[in-house]
Amino acid sequence: DVKVTQSSRYLVKRTGEKVFLECVQDMDHENMFWYRQDPGLGLRLIYFSYDVKMKEKGDIPEGYSVSREKKERFSLILESASTNQTSMYLCASSPQGRNQETQYFGPGTRLLVL
Amino acid sequence: EDQVTQSPEALRLQEGESSSLNCSYTVSGLRGLFWYRQDPGKGPEFLFTLYSAGEEKEKERLKATLTKKESFLHITAPKPEDSATYLCAVQAGRDDKIIFGKGTRLHILP
Repeated sequence: DVKVTQSSRYLVKRTGEKVFLECVQDMDHENMFWYRQDPGLGLRLIYFSYDVKMKEKGDIPEGYSVSREKKERFSLILESASTNQTSMYLCASSPQGRNQETQYFGPGTRLLVL
Repeated sequence: EDQVTQSPEALRLQEGESSSLNCSYTVSGLRGLFWYRQDPGKGPEFLFTLYSAGEEKEKERLKATLTKKESFLHITAPKPEDSATYLCAVQAGRDDKIIFGKGTRLHILP
């Protein structure tokens, strides 16, 4: 079974803090993704990566950055957390290269920024 | 503009009452359509991938179908444990972008 794990299920941070969300997948997938999910807005893509050290902006990259130093690990960084970044953050991975296939999701991190 | 629309937003059924969820899409160059199930506070769980019109896939009480404009997720004789949000996503366009619908919240009453 594909396994995608995220470092925290729940996280509480203060405005202005730097926040790291970690995601690890164990299936040697090339593609990894970070989404946020908000009521009424659905899933929105923040960043994705097709390979180690590669990253591409999704639909809402502002206020976020990512790092992919190893194939299995994809980190999402909130440089200076703000209250409007309170959300559920979901990491996903998929096999193959640019021809994206089925995405497998982690359990999510619910982030609250005070 | 590429779009994925799911209907209804929410659906309440009695246990055993069969129904269908709809996912309509307007995209150029569909490469695949995906169905996911999401339980509260958890990540989406993959159910099906459909690639071409006329294709059908089944898993237990769920059956997904695809036409050139929409997909249906048919639920036959549902049980309370089928209660969840069901998400549809399409992969399309020159950049193989994946677009998610907003989901249908399904509640099965015992």
